[in-house]
Amino acid sequence: DAKTTQPPSMDCAEGRAANLPCNHSTISGNEYVYWYRQIHSQGPQYIIHGLKNNETNEMASLIITEDRKSSTLILPHATLRDTAVYYCIVRVAGQAGTALIFGKGTTLSVSS
Amino acid sequence: GAVVSQHPSWVICKSGTSVKIECRSLDFQATTMFWYRQFPKQSLMLMATSNEGSKATYEQGVEKDKFLINHASLTLSTLTVTSAHPEDSSFYICSAPRGSLQETQYFGPGTRLLVL
Repeated sequence: DAKTTQPPSMDCAEGRAANLPCNHSTISGNEYVYWYRQIHSQGPQYIIHGLKNNETNEMASLIITEDRKSSTLILPHATLRDTAVYYCIVRVAGQAGTALIFGKGTTLSVSS
Repeated sequence: GAVVSQHPSWVICKSGTSVKIECRSLDFQATTMFWYRQFPKQSLMLMATSNEGSKATYEQGVEKDKFLINHASLTLSTLTVTSAHPEDSSFYICSAPRGSLQETQYFGPGTRLLVL
């Protein structure tokens, strides 16, 4: 899996958009960008993933640059419950026998 | 709702005893499951890959005789920490892939183990 780089921490005010960046400059053409988050003392939670097009679901939006070397996860209206560690992971989809490898992620702190 | 469950959610045991942790996929089958360990203020570390009907694959540095993995069915994998010691105290998390291409991993809520 390609290596990713994320800032160690970010702060966001409640109700504002949280934009979490991720650099993956060595991503391969068949590798997807996945985002997971881990709320304290819980198992990680899948958020969203994408290949090259921007993606949106009920939780977040994923913006991938045209060269695919970086991406941004957007939480449009952050709440206190969004405080968590956010992990950006790149991997080939469909590899059921391959585990996710977690880096250090970004600790997002949402405050009122 | 949860798609992967773990039991127990927390356990306290004496040093030298064995502890079994169950991981179940709910309403889907998982021929492969993964076990992770997480120490305080650290990221998840992959321990092993659990394969239904065959032996588990362990990551480098993980003792297979200490961390016994059994993938008994398509919905159940168990991790047994044998002769547990205080240094085994950690947060243990399992995951299973799901989706049309099995592209998404779903994680259990985790089991917190404290060895006294």
